[in-house]
Amino acid sequence: KAGVTQTPRYLIKTRGQQVTLSCSPISGHRSVSWYQQTPGQGLQFLFEYFSETQRNKGNFPGRFSGRQFSNSRSEMNVSTLELGDSALYLCASSLDRSSYEQYFGPGTRLTVT
Amino acid sequence: AQSVTQPDIHITVSEGASLELRCNYSYGATPYLFWYVQSPGQGLQLLLKYFSGDTLVQGIKGFEAEFKRSQSSFNLRKPSVHWSDAAEYFCAVGVKGQNFVFGPGTRLSVLP
Repeated sequence: KAGVTQTPRYLIKTRGQQVTLSCSPISGHRSVSWYQQTPGQGLQFLFEYFSETQRNKGNFPGRFSGRQFSNSRSEMNVSTLELGDSALYLCASSLDRSSYEQYFGPGTRLTVT
Repeated sequence: AQSVTQPDIHITVSEGASLELRCNYSYGATPYLFWYVQSPGQGLQLLLKYFSGDTLVQGIKGFEAEFKRSQSSFNLRKPSVHWSDAAEYFCAVGVKGQNFVFGPGTRLSVLP
């Protein structure tokens, strides 16, 4: 079974631009969570989607948003990029909301210049 | 507030030596507990998990962890470390209906 895939793997953007990251969960998995990983803040939870609905949200500004499609694929969007948004963005999928086994993708490395 | 601590930022061990990575949590109830490993430039791989039952859990790659309720700890151990174990290790906790919280991580270096 294929793992979690994330595209693109690397991205360079300029301050003020916006970016969209994509995540395809493991086949059959319906819950997708997003995390931001930085050297200073570590791994921080962004949001969780299940059945195309946001179920949980971390403490991030409204510039960070996401969505989930009917096939469970998910996208996250960051608008008006800031230098501090440079990070590794990780997507994790799990079977459903009662399963706490999360499987992570390789991440998207975003650099904001 | 809920929190997860990993007291050791960086640990160096010799190949073949034993390893113990510490994890402590602060939660109102017993959470679900996990250890993940991250190699450079990679995502996180689940090593093992504890939900309930036997407090000593076995994972992949020869790792095990012991849940101690009285100490709010979930320490990761390996009897003999291999050079390929060099990576960053994260302890994580999950509580029903709430998001995962990760510890700050412990970087493991392995000397030949």
